[in-house]
Amino acid sequence: QKEVEQNSGPLSVPEGAIASLNCTYSDRGSQSFFWYRQYSGKSPELIMSIYSNGDKEDGRFTAQLNKASQYVSLLIRDSQPSDSATYLCAVNEGGNQFYFGTGTSLTVIP
Amino acid sequence: NAGVMQNPRHLVRRRGQEARLRCSPMKGHSHVYWYRQLPEEGLKFMVYLQKENIIDESGMPKERFSAEFPKEGPSILRIQQVVRGDSAAYFCASSKRQVNSPLHFGNGTRLTVT
Repeated sequence: QKEVEQNSGPLSVPEGAIASLNCTYSDRGSQSFFWYRQYSGKSPELIMSIYSNGDKEDGRFTAQLNKASQYVSLLIRDSQPSDSATYLCAVNEGGNQFYFGTGTSLTVIP
Repeated sequence: NAGVMQNPRHLVRRRGQEARLRCSPMKGHSHVYWYRQLPEEGLKFMVYLQKENIIDESGMPKERFSAEFPKEGPSILRIQQVVRGDSAAYFCASSKRQVNSPLHFGNGTRLTVT
């Protein structure tokens, strides 16, 4: 059974702080990793993709991948109230199937 | 560039009726996935299709649920004889035919069974 695990939260951070979201996965053969943001009542929106070890930065978002530890994280710098949402981690092993975590709920407090 | 299009956005059905959910993938995308999401819960994979082929339906209930992606037209998720437990948000996602291509989601269909 391939698994993707995330802390369900809720995670609360003050406005302007760094929010750190974590995800672990069970399949060592996993090749691609994605972070989605889902606002309440809305659909998941792709915010980051990462495929190789290390960091990938896009604006206030940084994805970090460590394949040896089977760990992927998302850092949100200068957190804003508009970042309050559920963040879903998704993993693909190179085939047809995507495995999603249950999501971490983030609240940014003004 | 139209994204993944799902309709209807909201669907109300009485117990025992049929629900038909439609999904048109993004332009250039040939893979379609259907997911179900209950309130406050994660995404549950249902089925993965390519044109005229069901590739993986391991997440779909054996009875009452079916999916298709015909050569022409949208992908359709059909739920026959709906029950209250079918009430959920149903999301369609599409991807390109490339390794490592991410999923892009539609706005979803909120099904309510009364």
